[in-house]
Amino acid sequence: QVQLVQSGSELKKPGASVKVSCKASGYTFTSYAMNWVRQAPGQGLEWMGWINTNTGNPTYAQGFTGRFVFSLDTSVSTAYLQISSLKAEDTAVYYCAREWAPTVTTPSAFDIWGQGTMVTVSS
Amino acid sequence: DIQMTQSPSSLSASVGDRVTITCRASQSISSYLNWYQQKPGKAPKLLIYAASSLQSGVPSRFSGSGSGTDFTLTISSLQPEDFATYYCQQSYSTLHTFGQGTKLEIK
Repeated sequence: QVQLVQSGSELKKPGASVKVSCKASGYTFTSYAMNWVRQAPGQGLEWMGWINTNTGNPTYAQGFTGRFVFSLDTSVSTAYLQISSLKAEDTAVYYCAREWAPTVTTPSAFDIWGQGTMVTVSS
Repeated sequence: DIQMTQSPSSLSASVGDRVTITCRASQSISSYLNWYQQKPGKAPKLLIYAASSLQSGVPSRFSGSGSGTDFTLTISSLQPEDFATYYCQQSYSTLHTFGQGTKLEIK
């Protein structure tokens, strides 16, 4: 079945880096863009940006430039989110989400989500 | 960036009630509006796309309407499993944004 499976929870110290993976299965990976969404504890959903799975070109939302990097390994149908110079305020659940549209003229939506990866930053 | 504002932020209702949640965009987004449901500890789930299209497998008690800047999500008869947080999201801009969420609680 179509699914996104993310890597497990991470506990990191401030200043460290983390790399979250999102492995796709059940569909052609390069046919759909991949988005990343952050959810801080008790807070709402925050769109971080997306990556074109054909070209590898990333687009970052305001507030997610510099320390955040989206990447791909299309040979294993996997998208990655790397966060460097971690801060306590990066503590959150990070989701990957497939961007889908029924037709080329239909607005897109996030139809398949990973289960989320909890990243905790604490000394 | 396009700002999305939901109202109310929280809502108490009873099983069987009809509930409406509103989402307003800071500029016209045509019908590029999606609705998601999120339960505690779970990933969001797509309910409605393109403002009014029901995602496959979603019960017909959920419906969406609106275009331009004002949109609504309606649950015609609340079921126990519907108590959750609901988010709108615009896909008009390549910089997608979510509303702040509406928490639907049991009265």
